[in-house]
Amino acid sequence: GAGVSQSPSNKVTEKGKDVELRCDPISGHTALYWYRQSLGQGLEFLIYFQGNSAPDKSGLPSDRFSAERTGGSVSTLTIQRTQQEDSAVYLCASSRWGRQGERNTIYFGEGSWLTVV
Amino acid sequence: AQTVTQSQPEMSVQEAETVTLSCTYDTSESDYYLFWYKQPPSRQMILVIRQEAYKQQNATENRFSVNFQKAAKSFSLKISDSQLGDAAMYFCAYENQGAQKLVFGQGTRLTINP
Repeated sequence: GAGVSQSPSNKVTEKGKDVELRCDPISGHTALYWYRQSLGQGLEFLIYFQGNSAPDKSGLPSDRFSAERTGGSVSTLTIQRTQQEDSAVYLCASSRWGRQGERNTIYFGEGSWLTVV
Repeated sequence: AQTVTQSQPEMSVQEAETVTLSCTYDTSESDYYLFWYKQPPSRQMILVIRQEAYKQQNATENRFSVNFQKAAKSFSLKISDSQLGDAAMYFCAYENQGAQKLVFGQGTRLTINP
């Protein structure tokens, strides 16, 4: 597609329920990132995928959070047993790695706004 | 760990005037990238400008320019001839060379007064 696509755009869920957020990166981009933006805050790194390498999960806040990337393209971020503090905008981004490991511009999607009630 | 600080939660400027947004960062690394991102109400983060730490020349993109002071660890964004469409949240971000994660500041909300 032309840009990074995320769904759903908005999600309201009850505390304790599981949610899945989807990200479809720009075609040809091998790197995919998830960030979280809490209300009025900057972005917080969650997880990074690069090609077939093991993902960098160092930013995941708890074991309730997991993510996978199937076929090197679409990614799903799953939050189990949601809590109110999970309410935030979850932003996905992708980029293409150039020659000599130089990372090119990261392109962000419009995010999925999660509200846990 | 690296940190990024934006000390101005909000700024406002008259249309057509110039405004400068401040950003400082803390790192012990010598090779890194710095970025300014714009986030309009649509929530999509849009790259405004990028600076490689090894470059002494300040980056410019049309009406946007930076003042990169490596020794002072300062990276301010200057917007010239402000336009109504510049109104947004602006985030300063840092990334180590070879790393794959951006560290963001808290953001500055910029208002453009007509």
